[in-house]
Amino acid sequence: DGGITQSPKYLFRKEGQNVTLSCEQNLNHDAMYWYRQDPGQGLRLIYYSQIVNDFQKGDIAEGYSVSREKKESFPLTVTSAQKNPTAFYLCASSTDIAYNEQFFGPGTRLTVL
Amino acid sequence: AQKVTQAQTEISVVEKEDVTLDCVYETRDTTYYLFWYKQPPSGELVFLIRRNSFDEQNEISGRYSWNFQKSTSSFNFTITASQVVDSAVYFCALSDANSGYSTLTFGKGTMLLVSP
Repeated sequence: DGGITQSPKYLFRKEGQNVTLSCEQNLNHDAMYWYRQDPGQGLRLIYYSQIVNDFQKGDIAEGYSVSREKKESFPLTVTSAQKNPTAFYLCASSTDIAYNEQFFGPGTRLTVL
Repeated sequence: AQKVTQAQTEISVVEKEDVTLDCVYETRDTTYYLFWYKQPPSGELVFLIRRNSFDEQNEISGRYSWNFQKSTSSFNFTITASQVVDSAVYFCALSDANSGYSTLTFGKGTMLLVSP
């Protein structure tokens, strides 16, 4: 089955530690995205990548970093510089055709203690 | 700047009632796309519909229907004869025409609670 996987489903970290969230897709999509969701705030774009080895900042990129070394993978690192990292993180992908719908993974809920 | 407003934070209905979720958008682009997604308690967003700015025809898919009106910048979503399984958060989203890729601006979502 084609789809997007995110692991782990739940993640706990101590304050001050960097943490990397995994996102893998086997849909052969060129574009991938990371969103953050907070209660009552909707989804906000962190980073997106249109092709391998290229990515752009979204609306709330501060305190986050990404890499796109493979088409299938788009890991997100939440650094210690992110002031309020506890949130639900969603990864998505879409084809290289403009305006096509994005397909979402199941999400990772990060809690920083 | 683009903006999507879902003024209804939470709606509660009883099963079999019809319910309409409102979505109002702002954009300076003449070409854009609008989307609706459903987020059940499991958390994963499920794509429901995409509508482009040149097609104002209403669409019906089973119990779901969408009313797109450019004159009022609205893209409302109606569920007919609601069911408990419809309970979820529903998001309206707008695409960014400038990037050439579907970077989406989301509304804050409407939580729909359908009770038996």
